[in-house]
Amino acid sequence: DAKTTQPPSMDCAEGRAANLPCNHSTISGNEYVYWYRQIHSQGPQYIIHGLKNNETNEMASLIITEDRKSSTLILPHATLRDTAVYYCIVRVAEGGSQGNLIFGKGTKLSVKP
Amino acid sequence: NAGVTQTPKFRILKIGQSMTLQCAQDMNHNYMYWYRQDPGMGLKLIYYSVGAGITDKGEVPNGYNVSRSTTEDFPLRLELAAPSQTSVYFCASSLAGGRSTDTQYFGPGTRLTVL
Repeated sequence: DAKTTQPPSMDCAEGRAANLPCNHSTISGNEYVYWYRQIHSQGPQYIIHGLKNNETNEMASLIITEDRKSSTLILPHATLRDTAVYYCIVRVAEGGSQGNLIFGKGTKLSVKP
Repeated sequence: NAGVTQTPKFRILKIGQSMTLQCAQDMNHNYMYWYRQDPGMGLKLIYYSVGAGITDKGEVPNGYNVSRSTTEDFPLRLELAAPSQTSVYFCASSLAGGRSTDTQYFGPGTRLTVL
């Protein structure tokens, strides 16, 4: 089972920041937080991941709370093409045996004009 | 690079028929995965492989078989198709498996209907 809790859906206005929350209260010290998204009918796409420090790349920023029990994915200027289901995933890395991803139901983000 | 490719894109099977879903990657990745996604749900792992000649079961392996004779290819075999196998199937690959730097790349999926 997924070890994360996400709201089932969110709306965001085009051009505004989209802040997607994720709770992972049982996360272990050696587990990373990963974010993927799935645009309708396509395969999932990697966005970003982190352990305990905040991370930023060309797609998004990831803010992880100090106790690591929750995180927020930030899309700084959402566009209509960001409409997708966003999955927050925790998994063991650095020695994990198989590396597979355990997907929950994710958050359906709808970006509106 | 083509990335991860899957064929066919769509298929309709009758109950009891068999078929092979093809998956190939040209990124020289060691790890490959098969997931299925039922409507409105997240993906579930069927089988995975950490290299040529090595495969192992995931969360939902029943009714499926895999082989990994080359680094590039990871076909998924359905024997005796059942309506419960109606789903979208995604193949993925990654370079480093359990490493923190690992990123999985997904194919476009195969939509399978069993009637």
